[in-house]
Amino acid sequence: DGGITQSPKYLFRKEGQNVTLSCEQNLNHDAMYWYRQDPGQGLRLIYYSQIVNDFQKGDIAEGYSVSREKKESFPLTVTSAQKNPTAFYLCASSGTSGRYNEQFFGPGTRLTVL
Amino acid sequence: AQKITQTQPGMFVQEKEAVTLDCTYDTSDPSYGLFWYKQPSSGEMIFLIYQGSYDQQNATEGRYSLNFQKARKSANLVISASQLGDSAMYFCAMREGLKGYQKVTFGTGTKLQVIP
Repeated sequence: DGGITQSPKYLFRKEGQNVTLSCEQNLNHDAMYWYRQDPGQGLRLIYYSQIVNDFQKGDIAEGYSVSREKKESFPLTVTSAQKNPTAFYLCASSGTSGRYNEQFFGPGTRLTVL
Repeated sequence: AQKITQTQPGMFVQEKEAVTLDCTYDTSDPSYGLFWYKQPSSGEMIFLIYQGSYDQQNATEGRYSLNFQKARKSANLVISASQLGDSAMYFCAMREGLKGYQKVTFGTGTKLQVIP
């Protein structure tokens, strides 16, 4: 089945540690996105990538880093510079040849920093 | 300025009744797309409906329809015959430009609760 996988579903880390969230898609989509969602809030864009080996900062990129070495993969690293990293992280992808080119989302990773 | 505004943090609707969730947007780009997503308590994001800026007709998908008023820059979601399973967060979103690789901006969402 085509889709997006994010792992792990729940992640706990100590303050000051970097942590990498995985996102993989087999939809053959060019674009991939990372969003952060805080309780009761909307989705805020962290980084997005329109094509392999290229990515752009979103609205809240500080304290985060990404790479896009393969079309299928777009890992997000939450660094120790991120002041308040506890949140729900959603990865998405979108194509260019569909009817609406809507974003498809993974199940999310809930990160808790202790 | 907010690109997407959802002014209703929470809404209640009686089962089997219709409900309208408001969304206004702000863009100077003549080409854009508007999306509605549903997010149940499990956290997954489910695509519901799409409206392109050049579409002449309001979009409909089953019990979902989009009341698109371009001059007012509003794209309200109408859910007809509400069901208990419709209880969720609903997000309005906009892509400026019509290419699938462009970024999408989300509103803050409306929490809908369907009452039996």
